[in-house]
Amino acid sequence: AQSVSQHNHHVILSEAASLELGCNYSYGGTVNLFWYVQYPGQHLQLLLKYFSGDPLVKGIKGFEAEFIKSKFSFNLRKPSVQWSDTAEYFCAVNRISGTYKYIFGTGTRLKVLA
Amino acid sequence: GAGVSQSPSNKVTEKGKDVELRCDPISGHTALYWYRQRLGQGLEFLIYFQGNSAPDKSGLPSDRFSAERTGESVSTLTIQRTQQEDSAVYLCASSLDTSGGRHEQFFGPGTRLTVL
Repeated sequence: AQSVSQHNHHVILSEAASLELGCNYSYGGTVNLFWYVQYPGQHLQLLLKYFSGDPLVKGIKGFEAEFIKSKFSFNLRKPSVQWSDTAEYFCAVNRISGTYKYIFGTGTRLKVLA
Repeated sequence: GAGVSQSPSNKVTEKGKDVELRCDPISGHTALYWYRQRLGQGLEFLIYFQGNSAPDKSGLPSDRFSAERTGESVSTLTIQRTQQEDSAVYLCASSLDTSGGRHEQFFGPGTRLTVL
C-alpha cells in the first residue's frame, strides 16, 4: 500500500541547533516529493518540492531536502533553526502520472526553544 | 479571491445528521482536493477534482461521503448520517491543475467537524 512515514512525531530543539526530519515513502513508480509546513494558526503551505534533476533541493527560509532514491527517502534539513521555525511539518508524495492524489505523512511537530 | 476559503469554520452536529462542507478554491485553479485530518494524525486523502470530474474517489471512507464540484469552482463535501468517527478537520486545497502532479497545493483553513 502507498504510504509515507515520518519517524519523528515530536522534536524539541534549541535555537541554532541543526535539524533533520526523516521521511520515507512507499509508492510505486516515479514520484514527486513535497514538504509542507503549518505554522501555528496558519494554513498549510509549501516549503519545498522535488520533481527531477538535482536531488538536493532548496526551499524557503533556509530549508533543504535531499532525495535518495535507493532509500526511498526525502529528509528535510536546516543547518540552524530559529524560534520562528516552530511548526508542524508534513512530507507528501504523489505520482507523476495516473492518479494525482497526494499521500501525506503523519507530520512532525517541531518546537524550537528560544 | 485571495486564497482558498472553507465554510463553516466549525460545525457541531448530532450523530445521524447530514452535514455539508463547502470549499471555494482560488479563482482559475482547476484542481481541487479534499482531505481529512483526525486528531494527532496526518492528512488523509479523500477525493480530488480536475475541473468538475473526480478522477480519484478512492479515499472516500464510505458511501456516506460524497462530493461534487460545479462550474469548476465551488465544491461541497457531504457526509450523511454522521458518526462520531467522522469528527475531524476537513481540509480543502486547490492547484492550477494536475498536470504531472507538480503544481503547489494551496490549502484552506479547514472545517472542524464535531459529531456528538
